[in-house]
Amino acid sequence: GAVVSQHPSRVICKSGTSVKIECRSLDFQATTMFWYRQFPKQSLMLMATSNEGSKATYEQGVEKDKFLINHASLTLSTLTVTSAHPEDSSFYICSANPYPGRTNEKLFFGSGTQLSVL
Amino acid sequence: SQQGEEDPQALSIQEGENATMNCSYKTSINNLQWYRQNSGRGLVHLILIRSNEREKHSGRLRVTLDTSKKSSSLLITASRAADTASYFCAFRYGGSNYKLTFGKGTLLTVNP
Repeated sequence: GAVVSQHPSRVICKSGTSVKIECRSLDFQATTMFWYRQFPKQSLMLMATSNEGSKATYEQGVEKDKFLINHASLTLSTLTVTSAHPEDSSFYICSANPYPGRTNEKLFFGSGTQLSVL
Repeated sequence: SQQGEEDPQALSIQEGENATMNCSYKTSINNLQWYRQNSGRGLVHLILIRSNEREKHSGRLRVTLDTSKKSSSLLITASRAADTASYFCAFRYGGSNYKLTFGKGTLLTVNP
């Protein structure tokens, strides 16, 4: 099956620093990737849709300048949490669709990144 | 919010018993999917049922879909301790172009 690799799995940083999370599709090309945020014992909330070669589409209420998304190649999307604060502490998960042109198929997920901001 | 509702929020059973989780949604969907998440990990796709299907099986999993009631259920038969995880339904509303909306999830604990 398709593999999505997410790195790092865990990061602890000081308030005010920026953190970059990478999401790679290892054995397929993904023109679209998705970034989700999950608080403890809660569901996944879509933050943004990452589009290769163009600007990301952000969900309502998600700050574009806070959560920078870059999808520079067909196998890599990055999420940068800028000037992180304790309230940004959360579990971030990326996903990708390995079936180009087929919009109703399942998604493959990375293993997630636990961000803790001190 | 278009987010789905799941019940129960938590379910604790003994090994060998069956586990049933339910999911409801609000408007027409293209398909409904179920995912599993082990604690602190990513999600793993379990099964997908299309809007024109009523029931689907995969191993010990059985999914039903009732579009008239806008609801789905996931049945895990002969549960094992390794089935302990959170289970989420997810669906695409018409025209949402890949975007999946997730239910609130059910935390299943299977006691050995």
